Amino acid sequence: GQGVEQPAKLMSVEGTFARVNCTYSTSGFNGLSWYQQREGQAPVFLSYVVLDGLKDSGHFSTFLSRSNGYSYLLLTELQIKDSASYLCAVRDPNYNVLYFGSGTKLTVEP
Amino acid sequence: NAGVIQTPRHKVTGKGQEATLWCEPISGHSAVFWYRQTIVQGLEFLTYFRNQAPIDDSGMPKERFSAQMPNQSHSTLKIQSTQPQDSAVYLCASSLKDWGAFNQDTQYFGPGTRLLVL
Repeated sequence: GQGVEQPAKLMSVEGTFARVNCTYSTSGFNGLSWYQQREGQAPVFLSYVVLDGLKDSGHFSTFLSRSNGYSYLLLTELQIKDSASYLCAVRDPNYNVLYFGSGTKLTVEP
Repeated sequence: NAGVIQTPRHKVTGKGQEATLWCEPISGHSAVFWYRQTIVQGLEFLTYFRNQAPIDDSGMPKERFSAQMPNQSHSTLKIQSTQPQDSAVYLCASSLKDWGAFNQDTQYFGPGTRLLVL
């Protein structure tokens, strides 16, 4: 199976940054995806990483360490509207099915 | 492009009744996935289709749940004899294709159907 773990909550301040952590233990690995989900809405794709290191996508950056089963999503220059749940998901190596963590609810305060 | 369409958006059923949920994937996408989301369990994989054929239903409860994809433009998830524990948001997603190492094809999610079983 795919064990994907995330902290439930995270708080940060507008204008600063937030790092959303994700750890996983898997029987196979075909990359890790990050999604943003607002209350009552569909998950929206943010990033996909499969190689170790930092992938900079501007407002969102993602880091992956396959040897440690660890990834994080880094949000910089936070805005109030970044308040949402952030989901990480590991891809099944055979069929690209996504196995999700429970999500981290980020609250950005003024 | 309207994205993935799911109907109804909300459904309330009585215990023991049947519920059918509909999904229209993005045109041209060959892979369709069904997930279920609850506060307790989070987002769980149920089943998926490739070119209308069922590929993996390992996440589906074996009793009462069934999914079909009769044509490339829609899929259905049917729950027979619904129970209160079936209450959840059921999400459908589609992607251009689903195979290949390091396939970066994104799964696009629909808005979900919120099912409440009383």
